[in-house]
Amino acid sequence: AQSVAQPEDQVNVAEGNPLTVKCTYSVSGNPYLFWYVQYPNRGLQFLLKYITGDNLVKGSYGFEAEFNKSQTSFHLKKPSALVSDSALYFCAVKTDTGGFKTIFGAGTRLFVKA
Amino acid sequence: KAGVTQTPRYLIKTRGQQVTLSCSPISGHRSVSWYQQTPGQGLQFLFEYFSETQRNKGNFPGRFSGRQFSNSRSEMNVSTLELGDSALYLCASSLVASNTDTQYFGPGTRLTVL
Repeated sequence: AQSVAQPEDQVNVAEGNPLTVKCTYSVSGNPYLFWYVQYPNRGLQFLLKYITGDNLVKGSYGFEAEFNKSQTSFHLKKPSALVSDSALYFCAVKTDTGGFKTIFGAGTRLFVKA
Repeated sequence: KAGVTQTPRYLIKTRGQQVTLSCSPISGHRSVSWYQQTPGQGLQFLFEYFSETQRNKGNFPGRFSGRQFSNSRSEMNVSTLELGDSALYLCASSLVASNTDTQYFGPGTRLTVL
């Protein structure tokens, strides 16, 4: 069965410091990986995705993520955090063998302190 | 281009009633997916429609149903509401029926069952 794990419920970082939000996955078949962000009382906003090719994916708002096949990970990173990055972040996966179903991680709440 | 719209944004119902939620995808998008978001269960996939056909369904009871119209607009219906159905219901649209396509989410409908 497909699954996505976000091992940290919450990540705290000071403004200006680099941030990492972790994601690992377990799937059969090729994974297609996504990161979304959710602000209070809003839907999810797409940040970036990995389909194939370069393992380092760059996305919106200065975020990037690195696909690591051997570690089955897709961690989200940003070199310098902003207070406005504080939100709930979701990692998601789809596969060729999973139909058209998207499996989401439980989410990680990011707090950026000024 | 207008984003995904969902109506209504907020709903309050009582146990045993039924409810219909509506989703209008981004113009030109033909795939619509529905998700239930709760604090305890996170984001759970309900179903996905493409060209008026349900292609995949999550693990929800038959009280949850949906449909898609020829203009790609979608509705979901929940009958015989239970307290546990209180949640944020999110709709997402994508251009085509593909595992690599990006989903764009609406703001959600907040359903409260009393």
